[in-house]
Amino acid sequence: KQEVTQIPAALSVPEGENLVLNCSFTDSAIYNLQWFRQDPGKGLTSLLLIQSSQREQTSGRLNASLDKSSGRSTLYIAASQPGDSATYLCAGVAGGADGLTFGKGTHLIIQP
Amino acid sequence: GAGVSQSPSNKVTEKGKDVELRCDPISGHTALYWYRQSLGQGLEFLIYFQGNSAPDKSGLPSDRFSAERTGGSVSTLTIQRTQQEDSAVYLCASSFRDWNEQFFGPGTRLTVL
Repeated sequence: KQEVTQIPAALSVPEGENLVLNCSFTDSAIYNLQWFRQDPGKGLTSLLLIQSSQREQTSGRLNASLDKSSGRSTLYIAASQPGDSATYLCAGVAGGADGLTFGKGTHLIIQP
Repeated sequence: GAGVSQSPSNKVTEKGKDVELRCDPISGHTALYWYRQSLGQGLEFLIYFQGNSAPDKSGLPSDRFSAERTGGSVSTLTIQRTQQEDSAVYLCASSFRDWNEQFFGPGTRLTVL
């Protein structure tokens, strides 16, 4: 069964820094991997989807990479802003009738 | 609407009562998913629909849980004889096809007293 781990569990950095959030998964037979952000009391907002045939995706200041062989994905946030403060979740799916398997998330605080 | 909608946004019920949660997916999305988010448990997958059919219901926590989807659109998640451990946020998501990018609704917060 797929297990997803996110490190660190929490992170606090000053505004303007570049940062990397890490995600690891146990089953390399992953169909795709998706990064989300969740604001307190809200639903999930999709940030990036990486298909298994891709190695990275970019959207604005965000860049996500996928390395199936090592079972890792990273989310790079450039020039962080206070509005980036949220919980970031990664989730993978193997296909079939399985749903997304989520990590516990990284709680990110960007200090003004 | 443009996004996934869920109703009600909040539901408070007494132990033993039945509840019905509703999900309206994005128009044109054939795949629909239900998840549950509870404190200390994180997000867990419950069930997936392709069209109106659910290939695998083994993710549902117990036989008190059931889900259906009609017309390839709206889905309802029903919990019978609710228990306090059912208290959680129930999230619905949809995607254009199987396992494409999933878009989530705002969730229904269920509190069982």
